[in-house]
Amino acid sequence: DTGVSQNPRHKITKRGQNVTFRCDPISEHNRLYWYRQTLGQGPEFLTYFQNEAQLEKSRLLSDRFSAERPKGSFSTLEIQRTEQGDSAMYLCASSSSDREKLFFGSGTQLSVL
Amino acid sequence: AQRVTQPEKLLSVFKGAPVELKCNYSYSGSPELFWYVQYSRQRLQLLLRHISRESIKGFTADLNKGETSFHLKKPFAQEEDSAMYYCALLHAGAGNMLTFGGGTRLMVKP
Repeated sequence: DTGVSQNPRHKITKRGQNVTFRCDPISEHNRLYWYRQTLGQGPEFLTYFQNEAQLEKSRLLSDRFSAERPKGSFSTLEIQRTEQGDSAMYLCASSSSDREKLFFGSGTQLSVL
Repeated sequence: AQRVTQPEKLLSVFKGAPVELKCNYSYSGSPELFWYVQYSRQRLQLLLRHISRESIKGFTADLNKGETSFHLKKPFAQEEDSAMYYCALLHAGAGNMLTFGGGTRLMVKP
């Protein structure tokens, strides 16, 4: 499968713990996006990378959230001191250029107990 | 502020009936709109975009700037059209950042 890959598929954690998710985009895509989706809602934009540069961050991204894309390939999204409100599906997407369609991964489902 | 509204959470039709999934937007600039679809157990994927003016799987969508709408239509629904449909608005000058609507679940009954 040469699509966008996300790991893990599911993550259950206790409140207060830190979690990290990984996204591997389509190899030739230089743009990478993180979205969050809660039950009954559409995806909400979190942050965007062009190569290794983080160019946009949503106000939804509190200081407990940090994302990196160190070599312009895979990306990680870390949530520190998780809260129950962080429970959601975290989606990664990539694209080859501006205004081109986004290719989404299958997501990481986070449950904070 | 940019916003996308899909007023129907669920739309249920019989096979062969016409379908219209509603989408309204608010945006101060020139809008660029998309429909994304998620079939059961599959990833979210692009269905169509208004700039292409294309028909995909029998679906079409026309941008109506006067009514700020981008409704998705199909004259004869098929069972395989059952899925979640999301309308999305592109933010110009912000990479490829999309604002999504809340989604409409389409159920096509046999």
